[in-house]
Amino acid sequence: DTGVSQNPRHKITKRGQNVTFRCDPISEHNRLYWYRQTLGQGPEFLTYFQNEAQLEKSRLLSDRFSAERPKGSFSTLEIQRTEQGDSAMYLCASSWGTGGVETQYFGPGTRLLVL
Amino acid sequence: GDSVTQMEGPVTLSEEAFLTINCTYTATGYPSLFWYVQYPGEGLQLLLKATKADDKGSNKGFEATYRKETTSFHLEKGSVQVSDSAVYFCALGPQGAQKLVFGQGTRLTINP
Repeated sequence: DTGVSQNPRHKITKRGQNVTFRCDPISEHNRLYWYRQTLGQGPEFLTYFQNEAQLEKSRLLSDRFSAERPKGSFSTLEIQRTEQGDSAMYLCASSWGTGGVETQYFGPGTRLLVL
Repeated sequence: GDSVTQMEGPVTLSEEAFLTINCTYTATGYPSLFWYVQYPGEGLQLLLKATKADDKGSNKGFEATYRKETTSFHLEKGSVQVSDSAVYFCALGPQGAQKLVFGQGTRLTINP
């Protein structure tokens, strides 16, 4: 069990560019989550998948954000036309379950800086 | 909506001191409650959890009891160590939902 991995760990981009982040969950986990964390704040939920189905999206996830989990394994989060306000740490987590809230295991995050 | 309020930090203590970090929540129904810890340079790790009222979660000498009457889940440790220096996040998992709702975090520094 290698844990949740995220790539890249850091990304610097210019305003208006598109960026894509990847998350590889713990292999047997069927649920995958994306959160955003700004400096000095706790993580905020963005979206979650059960297998390949995206079951919930936060109102924080504007039209410029899209997430996929095409085969129910890894996931990508794309931000189009980045804005300076998108600068944050993007966290991925995974869990196993079919019922209530299970323990979510977090990756190290991708830190995005939009110049 | 659901929310979590944590004790404002930063908190600085001496080694072997008693620790309390307050956490209160607002939620409908019966949420699950969690404490996560983030050590310097590392990702969030689950520290402990409780899934129903009066449950006590414990790990690594830390404890927290799910108090529905006071909507609280305060984190305690009897004798802190320098290695406990980290940021601590209280979180709730709303009943019937999969997401976690986090507090703003409390930075703890333990001096030798």
